Amino acid sequence: AQTVTQSQPEMSVQEAETVTLSCTYDTSESDYYLFWYKQPPSRQMILVIRQEAYKQQNATENRFSVNFQKAAKSFSLKISDSQLGDAAMYFCAYRSERGGNMLTFGGGTRLMVKP
Amino acid sequence: EAGVVQSPRYKIIEKKQPVAFWCNPISGHNTLYWYRQNLGQGPELLIRYENEEAVDDSQLPKDRFSAERLKGVDSTLKIQPAELGDSAVYLCASSSVRDYPYEQYFGPGTRLTVT
Repeated sequence: AQTVTQSQPEMSVQEAETVTLSCTYDTSESDYYLFWYKQPPSRQMILVIRQEAYKQQNATENRFSVNFQKAAKSFSLKISDSQLGDAAMYFCAYRSERGGNMLTFGGGTRLMVKP
Repeated sequence: EAGVVQSPRYKIIEKKQPVAFWCNPISGHNTLYWYRQNLGQGPELLIRYENEEAVDDSQLPKDRFSAERLKGVDSTLKIQPAELGDSAVYLCASSSVRDYPYEQYFGPGTRLTVT
């Protein structure tokens, strides 16, 4: 079974600065997807960014980018130019390509943004 | 396009009482998921439907939990009787096999408090 670990329960960043959230995972599979989801106090999970394991190039979405290290099974999220609206819980998630489309989530990191 | 709709948003019940949650997925999405999110943790899959068929319910506590998706559209998750440990947020998500890479879209969840 796959596991996803987020070792930082809380992180804090100054507005306009850059912060990196860490995620590691354990799998024996070679084909899979990795995701970062944002969950604000409204509770709705919002997809931030997606990475296909077969792609060597790191995914980027505006101010959000990832550092995907397949051999190390590491998948960190970098948020540049942090904004107050970025404050939320962030969850790393794994999805196998074997079928089922099931997401396995990490325990989450609470990001606080200081004005 | 309307998102995933869930009701109620909040529910407070006494232990041993029954409770039901309702989810209406995005129109045209054939796959529906129910997740449970305990406080301070990531969501965990309870059950997944492909159309009206439950194809993955291995994590559903079948002694007290039941779910249905009779016409392959909206779904109901029921707990009877509720226990104190059932207090959590119940999230519904949906996806479509026609929309690669089959992204899951989440609803706002139902926060259940059992007293």
